[in-house]
Amino acid sequence: DAGITQSPRYKITETGRQVTLMCHQTWSHSYMFWYRQDLGHGLRLIYYSAAADITDKGEVPDGYVVSRSKTENFPLTLESATRSQTSVYFCASSEDGSSEQYFGPGTRLTVT
Amino acid sequence: AQKVTQAQTEISVVEKEDVTLDCVYETRDTTYYLFWYKQPPSGELVFLIRRNSFDEQNEISGRYSWNFQKSTSSFNFTITASQVVDSAVYFCALRDNYGQNFVFGPGTRLSVLP
Repeated sequence: DAGITQSPRYKITETGRQVTLMCHQTWSHSYMFWYRQDLGHGLRLIYYSAAADITDKGEVPDGYVVSRSKTENFPLTLESATRSQTSVYFCASSEDGSSEQYFGPGTRLTVT
Repeated sequence: AQKVTQAQTEISVVEKEDVTLDCVYETRDTTYYLFWYKQPPSGELVFLIRRNSFDEQNEISGRYSWNFQKSTSSFNFTITASQVVDSAVYFCALRDNYGQNFVFGPGTRLSVLP
C-alpha cells in the first residue's frame, strides 16, 4: 500500500538493549524525519534526512542513530535504550524542503 | 531561532459553537511555511493546511478557516459549528526556507462536548 509505515507499532525493551524502529515510505519523498512525542513536550525532532545518505541532527539527537541508504527507508536506532527514551516515535516524510509532512502511525516504545 | 506558541493549552466548547485556535510564530526568515495538523484520540497526525509566507490570503475549507497575518506573526485556525469529531489536539508548525527546520507548537487540546 502507498504511504508511510512504521514498525513495530508497539515495543517493550529493557534498559541497555539496542532497538531499531523502522520507517518506510512509498512516495519517493526526498525528506524524512523522526520525532518523539512526550506529554508536556509536544513533538520534538530527533533527526532528519534531506536525501539518501544525507542526515542531520534535530533538537534531541543524543542516544539515537539514523541511516538512510535508500530513499524509502529511514531506520532509527537506540544504541543503548534508557527509560527516558520511553515515548511515542513518529516518522514523517515530505516531498521537498517546503512541503507538508506526512506522518506514519507511530511506534509506542516502552523501556523498562 | 524559530518558535511556535500556542497559548491555549485546552479549550472546551459545546457542539455547534465556533472556536478559534491561536498560533503565534517567530522566525527571522522572510520565506517560511506554516502548517496545521490534527491529532485525534486515535493518535495519528493529520495534515490540514500549508501556507507560505507570501500568501496572506485567508482560506476556507468547509467548516475550517485560517487567518494568516504577517503583521502579528499569527496563523489562527477557526472551526465553525464545531462537532464532536473535531475533538483532538491541534498543532501549528513552522518550516524554514531551507527545508530543514520544522518546529511544532505545543498543541491545543480541543474538546467538543455534545
